[in-house]
Amino acid sequence: EAQVTQNPRYLITVTGKKLTVTCSQNMNHEYMSWYRQDPGLGLRQIYYSMNVEVTDKGDVPEGYKVSRKEKRNFPLILESPSPNQTSLYFCASSSYLGGGNTEAFFGQGTRLTVV
Amino acid sequence: AQSVTQLDSQVPVFEEAPVELRCNYSSSVSVYLFWYVQYPNQGLQLLLKYLSGSTLVESINGFEAEFNKSQTSFHLRKPSVHISDTAEYFCAVSDERRQLTFGSGTQLTVLP
Repeated sequence: EAQVTQNPRYLITVTGKKLTVTCSQNMNHEYMSWYRQDPGLGLRQIYYSMNVEVTDKGDVPEGYKVSRKEKRNFPLILESPSPNQTSLYFCASSSYLGGGNTEAFFGQGTRLTVV
Repeated sequence: AQSVTQLDSQVPVFEEAPVELRCNYSSSVSVYLFWYVQYPNQGLQLLLKYLSGSTLVESINGFEAEFNKSQTSFHLRKPSVHISDTAEYFCAVSDERRQLTFGSGTQLTVLP
């Protein structure tokens, strides 16, 4: 089954404690991205990756890091989380082929609370 | 730069009534348009998409959307909604760089 898997689904942490949210896809997609979803703001892109070792900033990258060492994995790293990073996070992947008309597949989401 | 505006944040409607969720976009280049649906506690799923050709596109569960280039709109419609259609709906635009830009979402609540 084609899927994007995020872990954990729920996370409560304290300010300043480094954390990593993992994302893995089994569709051999080149393009992967991270979004955060906040009420009234929709989804905003944090970082994206066109392929292995190729990453770039999205609209709201401050306070986040990513890496793409393998094609299937795209972890999101919060080096020093702050309360304003409390949000619902989604990882997505899509095929590089076909330009902008390819469907994005989303993970189930990670609800992060920073206290 | 591209942007998407969803004009209604909440749309309550009675079961079996028609519904329209509005979406307007702006972009300086050719775009691809999408509607995604998010059911409670789940990720987003593609509902339908406009790439080219016929301006009216349909989904398998009775939704349809019409691309109107002159009005830069991509409104989503369904002639008769069911309780199971209760979800949040996101309009999105993509360009050749595959950068998906989402609207702020519309919560559709179908009432019995």
